[in-house]
Amino acid sequence: NAGVTQTPKFQVLKTGQSMTLQCAQDMNHEYMSWYRQDPGMGLRLIHYSVGAGITDQGEVPNGYNVSRSTTEDFPLRLLSAAPSQTSVYFCASVQGMNNSPLHFGNGTRLTVT
Amino acid sequence: GQQVMQIPQYQHVQEGEDFTTYCNSSTTLSNIQWYKQRPGGHPVFLIQLVKSGEVKKQKRLTFQFGEAKKNSSLHITATQTTDVGTYFCAGMTTDSWGKLQFGAGTQVVVTP
Repeated sequence: NAGVTQTPKFQVLKTGQSMTLQCAQDMNHEYMSWYRQDPGMGLRLIHYSVGAGITDQGEVPNGYNVSRSTTEDFPLRLLSAAPSQTSVYFCASVQGMNNSPLHFGNGTRLTVT
Repeated sequence: GQQVMQIPQYQHVQEGEDFTTYCNSSTTLSNIQWYKQRPGGHPVFLIQLVKSGEVKKQKRLTFQFGEAKKNSSLHITATQTTDVGTYFCAGMTTDSWGKLQFGAGTQVVVTP
């Protein structure tokens, strides 16, 4: 099993550009989520999904869109990148949220200039 | 809303010494999880605590969940260089299903 796969690993964008961060898992997990990690602020939840066709907002959803058309994939879209979105982004999945650990991808380091 | 606070933010430890990191929530948690992130890596699950007053051990690591289920601690004995990394606690409340909230983490540096 590959687990949770994120692409790309690194990305540099200019302000105003758009891009999609990809996340795929092969564990048939129902729940998937996106976090951003900034120094001194831990991991903050952006969006999450409890199953195909269902998404919801986390703590810091502004500037990001998500969709969940399949169980396996949960892409994160930045429609108009801003320097404040410079961060490390982690995708995570779990079979069910009750007493189950999150499985994280390796992360995407995004820089917006 | 729910807030998870973690202290200290940084911890410099001499190899062989013990240390403790603390996690406090403003609301009662249904469970708490601990993760470790090595430099340049991704968070890796360590353990989950569910019951009030629960204590679990993993070799030199001891995890505790408070009686009120609002705080937790991680105690590491005889610190080794392999313990370097950032330790996060993460909690969820019964009315915020799906929103696992992470503390800011304790970054641990070990001096040989």
